[in-house]
Amino acid sequence: KAGVTQTPRYLIKTRGQQVTLSCSPISGHRSVSWYQQTPGQGLQFLFEYFSETQRNKGNFPGRFSGRQFSNSRSEMNVSTLELGDSALYLCASSPIKPGLAGGPLINEQFFGPGTRLTVL
Amino acid sequence: AQKITQTQPGMFVQEKEAVTLDCTYDTSDQSYGLFWYKQPSSGEMIFLIYQGSYDEQNATEGRYSLNFQKARKSANLVISASQLGDSAMYFCAMRDSHGTASKLTFGTGTRLQVTL
Repeated sequence: KAGVTQTPRYLIKTRGQQVTLSCSPISGHRSVSWYQQTPGQGLQFLFEYFSETQRNKGNFPGRFSGRQFSNSRSEMNVSTLELGDSALYLCASSPIKPGLAGGPLINEQFFGPGTRLTVL
Repeated sequence: AQKITQTQPGMFVQEKEAVTLDCTYDTSDQSYGLFWYKQPSSGEMIFLIYQGSYDEQNATEGRYSLNFQKARKSANLVISASQLGDSAMYFCAMRDSHGTASKLTFGTGTRLQVTL
């Protein structure tokens, strides 16, 4: 089974520009989450999509947005780029499986290789 | 709010030795999931092991085991028989238990260096 793919892998933009990143989840996975990783803030949750609906959103400004298509592929967009947006953006896909013995749902998240965005 | 604490910024271990990476968590939820991920220098996050809060047995996956002590709110990762390829960043994470949301809260990570 193919893993999570993200395109592009590397991107250089200048301040004020906008950028769109793409993520294709593992076949059959309907949940896609996005994370931002920076040396200063670590890994932070951006948002999650399930069946084309945003289910959860992290604490990021409105410049960060996303969407999911009917084939579960997802895109995230950052408008009016700032220097601080330079980061590794990771996409994760997840199957939805019931938990064991009535426990929580097991939502293992499988990550893609990430898109490294540099804002100059 | 959930919080994950990894107090070891860096660890060294000799090849073939076992190593324990510490993780403590804080949550008011009764139902939650704990994960460990490995991140090599390439950047990809590799899923290693999962422990549910209701699981009575400690999770094991090959050379990885999770020492789950619920009362102490700790979920330490044990890597047995370390290999040079184990050198990487290791992140402990917790899944939000509300509904079916998949949000993970990550710790700051531990950089493991395996030496000859």
